[in-house]
Amino acid sequence: GAVVSQHPSRVICKSGTSVKIECRSLDFQATTMFWYRQFPKKSLMLMATSNEGSKATYEQGVEKDKFLINHASLTLSTLTVTSAHPEDSSFYICSARVLPGPAYNEQFFGPGTRLTVL
Amino acid sequence: GDSVTQMEGPVTLSEEAFLTINCTYTATGYPSLFWYVQYPGEGLQLLLKATKADDKGSNKGFEATYRKETTSFHLEKGSVQVSDSAVYFCALSDREDSSYKLIFGSGTRLLVRP
Repeated sequence: GAVVSQHPSRVICKSGTSVKIECRSLDFQATTMFWYRQFPKKSLMLMATSNEGSKATYEQGVEKDKFLINHASLTLSTLTVTSAHPEDSSFYICSARVLPGPAYNEQFFGPGTRLTVL
Repeated sequence: GDSVTQMEGPVTLSEEAFLTINCTYTATGYPSLFWYVQYPGEGLQLLLKATKADDKGSNKGFEATYRKETTSFHLEKGSVQVSDSAVYFCALSDREDSSYKLIFGSGTRLLVRP
């Protein structure tokens, strides 16, 4: 149980295009989903927190107009990188926090999406 | 703000050696502490956690004890295996923060040689 999927697993795009990454909780409902960015040999940097049906909360320094987050349901959140540039190339990881229950407040992580912008 | 500091890697050990990965934290509140593991090509998995002082989290032979007096949560394993090769992340979650977001350390890569 508690599986989180991400799609696509890797994407290559041209500079200036937009890319959408999906994060799904497959067998549980998530009150909150988180989006992280991981640089090579570096830690995960929290980009934003999204709650179903409300606007995402962005961390300081993260451009909300560039990284659009939509949390349409209790099992789906999407991150859209708008007008992508090479410096946006990174590994993007989502996680989901379960509704109240035995694993409440535990986060389950997706496998990540490797974005390469040419 | 809250932060987590881990020892830099990579850590290279021979199979059956003893492992310690140091982790210290700073927090204004009373955090919960976690160790996550990331195997090559996979997402992060929770390895163990502790929610209050002196708690010991354990899983798959790994252990870590929540030491409030030294603000530490060091990861240990008595005998590592090649399959333990991965990146290990120490993290905290401030229970005063209703979002329960995680703050991660920089990660420590472990390489276990046969």
